[in-house]
Amino acid sequence: DAGVTQSPTHLIKTRGQQVTLRCSPKSGHDTVSWYQQALGQGPQFIFQYYEEEERQRGNFPDRFSGHQFPNYSSELNVNALLLGDSALYLCASSFRPPGELFFGEGSRLTVL
Amino acid sequence: GQQVMQIPQYQHVQEGEDFTTYCNSSTTLSNIQWYKQRPGGHPVFLIQLVKSGEVKKQKRLTFQFGEAKKNSSLHITATQTTDVGTYFCAGYTSGTYKYIFGTGTRLKVLA
Repeated sequence: DAGVTQSPTHLIKTRGQQVTLRCSPKSGHDTVSWYQQALGQGPQFIFQYYEEEERQRGNFPDRFSGHQFPNYSSELNVNALLLGDSALYLCASSFRPPGELFFGEGSRLTVL
Repeated sequence: GQQVMQIPQYQHVQEGEDFTTYCNSSTTLSNIQWYKQRPGGHPVFLIQLVKSGEVKKQKRLTFQFGEAKKNSSLHITATQTTDVGTYFCAGYTSGTYKYIFGTGTRLKVLA
């Protein structure tokens, strides 16, 4: 049984560019949450998707957007990248919160 | 907004010594979870506490949820080198659908 998979694992972008990160949840999970983790910090909640809709959002600007597909997989899009967007982006799946969060390995984004 | 703080930020211990990290929320929680993140890895679930005053044990790890459901602690007895990593608490409030992670405590164990 595959766990949570994320792609790509690493990527480098320049300021102003756009990026799309992808996540496939653990089998049987219907909820996907995205977190941003800067170096040495705790994960910061970006948003959560359930039934293909954004159910909750953290304190992130509109440059951060997402999508959930009928198969429960999800994408995180970030537009107009800033240097401060450099971080590890973690996808976590669960079955209807407040259950255990299963995290993927993350996508490490570097913005130059 | 809701904040979850942890102390200490860092802890270095000799192998065999005990370790404790404390987690404090600015608001009352419905439940709290604990995660461990190894260097270069991703957070891995350890346990969930739901009831006021709840205490749970996993081998050398003891987890406690405060009576007011605003604080929690993780205690490791006789640390081992395999305990190295950052320990995060994550608080959940019913109806918010999100876990707020603490600032983390980074543990180093010296052999």
